[in-house]
Amino acid sequence: GQNIDQPTEMTATEGAIVQINCTYQTSGFNGLFWYQQHAGEAPTFLSYNVLDGLEEKGRFSSFLSRSKGYSYLLLKELQMKDSASYLCAPYSGAGSYQLTFGKGTKLSVIP
Amino acid sequence: ETGVTQTPRHLVMGMTNKKSLKCEQHLGHNAMYWYKQSAKKPLELMFVYSLEERVENNSVPSRFSPECPNSSHLFLHLHTLQPEDSALYLCASSQDPAGGYGYTFGSGTRLTVV
Repeated sequence: GQNIDQPTEMTATEGAIVQINCTYQTSGFNGLFWYQQHAGEAPTFLSYNVLDGLEEKGRFSSFLSRSKGYSYLLLKELQMKDSASYLCAPYSGAGSYQLTFGKGTKLSVIP
Repeated sequence: ETGVTQTPRHLVMGMTNKKSLKCEQHLGHNAMYWYKQSAKKPLELMFVYSLEERVENNSVPSRFSPECPNSSHLFLHLHTLQPEDSALYLCASSQDPAGGYGYTFGSGTRLTVV
């Protein structure tokens, strides 16, 4: 089975840094995706971590610890447009290409 | 334009109606998916098609019926739905996510059952 845990909501100030955590327990693990979803829109791909460590991509970075079943998404220099839900999705690597998504963390960026 | 197109964007239907949702991708992906997204709940996988064959049906009620006539098109046929079926229905396509590309989602169909 799959168990994915991330905070439901977070609030942060424009220009600040915020870290969104995700813990997971999955049967099989290949890597972990992070998606961003603005209200009423489709989720969009942010990152995919396979190896342990931090991967930086502009203002967004993603960290993975396979042994701890833990990942986080780090957002720097927050902008108002970063207000969205952030979805953690471990990928088991099974043949049917299924992703299982967490409930998502709704981030509100305030002035 | 996300590469995956869903129609209609919004749909209101009565419980006795029959309607269909359509999804189209021209990304050359070989897997397509239907997800349901309800308020306060995670994305729920409904159906997976790989190379036009259904490989997963996650205990979805029979009032939802998928169809994948070719690798670019996916339909979700709806009949005798219930008000609790009101949700955002998302279509996605992918190659093997292990390649790091993840899913490409459509913009979704916001379904309201009255």
